[in-house]
Amino acid sequence: TQLLEQSPQFLSIQEGENLTVYCNSSSVFSSLQWYRQEPGEGPVLLVTVVTGGEVKKLKRLTFQFGDARKDSSLHITAAQPGDTGLYLCAGVWRGSTLGRLYFGRGTQLTVWP
Amino acid sequence: DTAVSQTPKYLVTQMGNDKSIKCEQNLGHDTMYWYKQDSKKFLKIMFSYNNKELIINETVPNRFSPKSPDKAHLNLHINSLELGDSAVYFCASSHGQGARIQYFGAGTRLSVL
Repeated sequence: TQLLEQSPQFLSIQEGENLTVYCNSSSVFSSLQWYRQEPGEGPVLLVTVVTGGEVKKLKRLTFQFGDARKDSSLHITAAQPGDTGLYLCAGVWRGSTLGRLYFGRGTQLTVWP
Repeated sequence: DTAVSQTPKYLVTQMGNDKSIKCEQNLGHDTMYWYKQDSKKFLKIMFSYNNKELIINETVPNRFSPKSPDKAHLNLHINSLELGDSAVYFCASSHGQGARIQYFGAGTRLSVL
């Protein structure tokens, strides 16, 4: 069962452009996280959002958790080539007693100089 | 110092062989995980151990057998390898079961020929 739907799957933009990646579900999550994965490496945590409506900023990256805790978005302002990578959303489903982490299918971002 | 280390980084083998992947974490965490990432980058949990006890076994074929000799180690043994086992396998660890923050290793790329 795919609990988290990410879109778009691929995103190719020029340096300086803005972009938004979406992570949606019909289920409620206790928390949502965003990871970034580079080739040949494991995912690295960028941020965790816990409260509905929460907004967190990490330099040029803005993360938002939906009011109903069913969705999240990642917005990058003035993208740079160093932002290139696979962005994964992941969440702890509220109905999970084991606290397992469910991942979206990822958004492959390429930023061209 | 690498927090979560996996060996080997690459594994190329023939169908029908048996192979093992090792994972060690030096973060003092009590929970460790194995994930499988397929060719489309979808990351899915396979197993989770908390204090050497199996917590999650996510409908994985019984050819896959995890073993946790202590809290810092979680190994994965695979019998009778099949073509469909080709993927990148990630080990991760966290403090506490169902923790939001998981630290991932760099992955083991398994190619079954």
